Amino acid sequence: EAGVAQSPRYKIIEKRQSVAFWCNPISGHATLYWYQQILGQGPKLLIQFQNNGVVDDSQLPKDRFSAERLKGVDSTLKIQPAKLEDSAVYLCASSLTAYEQYFGPGTRLTVT
Amino acid sequence: KQEVTQIPAALSVPEGENLVLNCSFTDSAIYNLQWFRQDPGKGLTSLLLIQSSQREQTSGRLNASLDKSSGRSTLYIAASQPGDSATYLCAVLPSGSARQLTFGSGTQLTVLP
Repeated sequence: EAGVAQSPRYKIIEKRQSVAFWCNPISGHATLYWYQQILGQGPKLLIQFQNNGVVDDSQLPKDRFSAERLKGVDSTLKIQPAKLEDSAVYLCASSLTAYEQYFGPGTRLTVT
Repeated sequence: KQEVTQIPAALSVPEGENLVLNCSFTDSAIYNLQWFRQDPGKGLTSLLLIQSSQREQTSGRLNASLDKSSGRSTLYIAASQPGDSATYLCAVLPSGSARQLTFGSGTQLTVLP
């Protein structure tokens, strides 16, 4: 069974530029999550989708972050414009049930 | 609001030692607790998942225990190896309708050859 796929794996941008991350969940997993993990901290949930609907985006900085999940499968997370404090690893996870999540390899973003 | 704490933040041990990593949480109303491993710059690999009704889970050299009433979990690693060097994260899933993981900040483990 293929795992959660993410791309790109690494991205370096300058502040005020925009960036997008892509996630392909495990086939059949209805729930998809985006997390932000700042160096030295645990992952923090940004947004949770159930199929193509948003379940929770309470911690998503909506002035600069946006996310969508087209057709309930792949998802894209965008940052526009980026700030220095957005430097982090962005993790995507998916789940079939509410009880166990499977994580992708992450995208490491550096904002200079 | 659930808070998860992991102590110590970093640990360095010589190869072959047995070691214990600690995780504490403030709200005992959990559905399960999970231990993850994270290698530098990589995603999370699930190591062990303990349901709230369970006391422990074992996989190879790893043993995780859960004491829900006291809000504590430990991850025991036997006969540590340099390949065990990584950051170990614990996360709790609450019981109730809000099925969202809350993570600790992790323990960075270095096993010296």
